[in-house]
Amino acid sequence: KQEVTQIPAALSVPEGENLVLNCSFTDSAIYNLQWFRQDPGKGLTSLLLIQSSQREQTSGRLNASLDKSSGRSTLYIAASQPGDSATYLCAVSSGGGADGLTFGKGTHLIIQP
Amino acid sequence: GAVVSQHPSWVICKSGTSVKIECRSLDFQATTMFWYRQFPKQSLMLMATSNEGSKATYEQGVEKDKFLINHASLTLSTLTVTSAHPEDSSFYICSAPRVGKSTDTQYFGPGTRLTVL
Repeated sequence: KQEVTQIPAALSVPEGENLVLNCSFTDSAIYNLQWFRQDPGKGLTSLLLIQSSQREQTSGRLNASLDKSSGRSTLYIAASQPGDSATYLCAVSSGGGADGLTFGKGTHLIIQP
Repeated sequence: GAVVSQHPSWVICKSGTSVKIECRSLDFQATTMFWYRQFPKQSLMLMATSNEGSKATYEQGVEKDKFLINHASLTLSTLTVTSAHPEDSSFYICSAPRVGKSTDTQYFGPGTRLTVL
């Protein structure tokens, strides 16, 4: 059974710093991996999706990498801003659109002004 | 704009009552939808897969008689929490892969906060 782990569970940094969030998964036979953002009491916002054949995806200040063979992904946030404060969730799909996602517990990020 | 909606966004009910949550794909058809549950400070856990025109498939440990799922049309799936109890209080979120485009991306609804008194 697929398991997804995110480290750290919580992170608090001053505004402007670059930071890295980590995600690992136990079964490397994934279809894709997604990073989401969740604000308190809200739903999910998709940030980046990486197909199993890809190594990274970029969107603005966000960069996500994928090393499928080692079961790892990182989310890099450049020049962090207070508005980046949220919980970041990593999720893997093992069967594309036919299967649900397996989520990690998330990293609770606080960017101090 | 949102491509998947949920209704209601929050609901408070008494123990023993049943609550129905709707999940709609707004501008695309979804033969499959997924229901997740999120307890406070926990991650999302897949509960079941809703299949249009056939029975839902449930994850291990999820009671199918308690969480009734109906996927009667290509744009609507409903989750009914029957005889709800306080331990069912949670955040319920649905998702749907978009048919006709890449099925890689799941579109998530905004979630429904259920509080059972």
